[in-house]
Amino acid sequence: DQQVKQNSPSLSVQEGRISILNCDYTNSMFDYFLWYKKYPAEGPTFLISISSIKDKNEDGRFTVFLNKSAKHLSLHIVPSQPGDSAVYFCAASASGGYQKVTFGTGTKLQVIP
Amino acid sequence: KAGVTQTPRYLIKTRGQQVTLSCSPISGHRSVSWYQQTPGQGLQFLFEYFSETQRNKGNFPGRFSGRQFSNSRSEMNVSTLELGDSALYLCASSFGQNYGYTFGSGTRLTVV
Repeated sequence: DQQVKQNSPSLSVQEGRISILNCDYTNSMFDYFLWYKKYPAEGPTFLISISSIKDKNEDGRFTVFLNKSAKHLSLHIVPSQPGDSAVYFCAASASGGYQKVTFGTGTKLQVIP
Repeated sequence: KAGVTQTPRYLIKTRGQQVTLSCSPISGHRSVSWYQQTPGQGLQFLFEYFSETQRNKGNFPGRFSGRQFSNSRSEMNVSTLELGDSALYLCASSFGQNYGYTFGSGTRLTVV
C-alpha cells in the first residue's frame, strides 16, 4: 500500500524554467511533509518541509504547496538550474506518538542547459 | 560536523549468507532509521531506533533485524540473504520527530 505517491517517474525541464514536482498521499493522518533531493551514489538530502497548518512554504528557489483537501503537494523550483538534476523524494509523517516517515517512489528531474 | 557514516559502502554476498551493516549517526542525534531503496520502489522503511529502543518497524520479514547501541550507533542485520535483498540500504539520523533526517551515503548490497 503506497501511501505517498509520485506518479511521474521523470521530468525534463529547460534551464531557467519552472520545475513542478507533484506528490499525492492517501493517509489523512499525515500532517508533516518533506522533500528530499538525491544525487547518484549519495544519500538523500533534506530540501524543504511544510506542516499541515500551512499551505505554502518558501526557501529561496524552492516552494512547496500543500492542498490538504486534495491530499496533494507540489514542489516548485524557479528558476531551474542544471545542478537541480537529481531524484526528488516526497515524504510524509503523522504527529502523535512515534510515527515513521513514509517516502514516495521519487521523480527524476533533468534540467537541460 | 561529521555526517552520518555508513559502512561498508559496497558489499557483495552470496545467497543464504548473512550481512551486518553499520551506521554512525550525527553526534547528538538519538533517532536512527533504516530504509531500503530499490528501483521503482522508492525508500521503503525498515525500522527506527531511539535510545536503543525500536520504536517503529516496517513490513519486512523477520530476516531483517537491527539494534542500537548506547552511543546511538546502529546496526542492521539481514540473515539468509535472497537475490531480492540486493538494494541500497540507507541510514538516517535526526534529533527526533518532525526534524529533517540526515542520510548517510548508503551501503550498496549485491546478493549473487
